[in-house]
Amino acid sequence: KQEVTQIPAALSVPEGENLVLNCSFTDSAIYNLQWFRQDPGKGLTSLLLIQSSQREQTSGRLNASLDKSSGRSTLYIAASQPGDSATYLCAGNPYSGAGSYQLTFGKGTKLSVIP
Amino acid sequence: KAGVTQTPRYLIKTRGQQVTLSCSPISGHRSVSWYQQTPGQGLQFLFEYFSETQRNKGNFPGRFSGRQFSNSRSEMNVSTLELGDSALYLCASSLRRGSSYNEQFFGPGTRLTVL
Repeated sequence: KQEVTQIPAALSVPEGENLVLNCSFTDSAIYNLQWFRQDPGKGLTSLLLIQSSQREQTSGRLNASLDKSSGRSTLYIAASQPGDSATYLCAGNPYSGAGSYQLTFGKGTKLSVIP
Repeated sequence: KAGVTQTPRYLIKTRGQQVTLSCSPISGHRSVSWYQQTPGQGLQFLFEYFSETQRNKGNFPGRFSGRQFSNSRSEMNVSTLELGDSALYLCASSLRRGSSYNEQFFGPGTRLTVL
C-alpha cells in the first residue's frame, strides 16, 4: 500500500527566500507524481505533474523533481512571495496489474511567507 | 475551458439523512474521482468512475456510493449520515486513465456538515 509523507508539516519563511518542500513515497511503481496547492477552504490547484519517466518539471518559479529509486520528490519555490502562502500537497499515482488508479496524498506542508 | 464544477458548495444535514453531491468534469474528460478531506485523515480516495463504470473503490463503507452518467457527470450519495461524514468532498477529473500523462484537476469541493 502506497504511503506518502511530507516534511515539514509547517514552514514559515521571510519573503524572497528560496525554499524546498519534501515528499517521500514508499512504492516506486507510480504512473506519475503531482504537486498541488490548496488555499484554506478551497479545492486543489494542480501545480506540476512529473511523469514516471521524467526527473523534473518546471513552471515559472516552481521546480519539482522526482527520484523514484529513493522514493522522493521535492518542490522548489524560488523567490517566495506572500501569495505563495498555502498548503502544498504531493500525491502519487500508483499503478498495479489490476488497473488501480487513484491518488495517494501526503498530509501536506503548510507554508507561510512573511512580508 | 471551464474547470471542474461541484454543486452544492455547502450542505448542512442531520444524522440519519442522506445526501447527493454532483460533479461536472472538464469538457472531454471521462474519468471522475471522488475524495474526502478531513483534518484528521487528510485526503482519502473514495471511488473512480470511467465510462459510466466504477473502476476503483477506496476503503469506505457501503453507505458511500456513486454513479456516472453518459455525459461523464458524476454524483455521489451518502446514506444514513454520521457525524464523522462531515468533510470537504472533492471531485477530480482527468482526460484518460492509466497513463503517466494523466493530470488530475480538482473542483472547489462541497463542504458537508452533519449535525
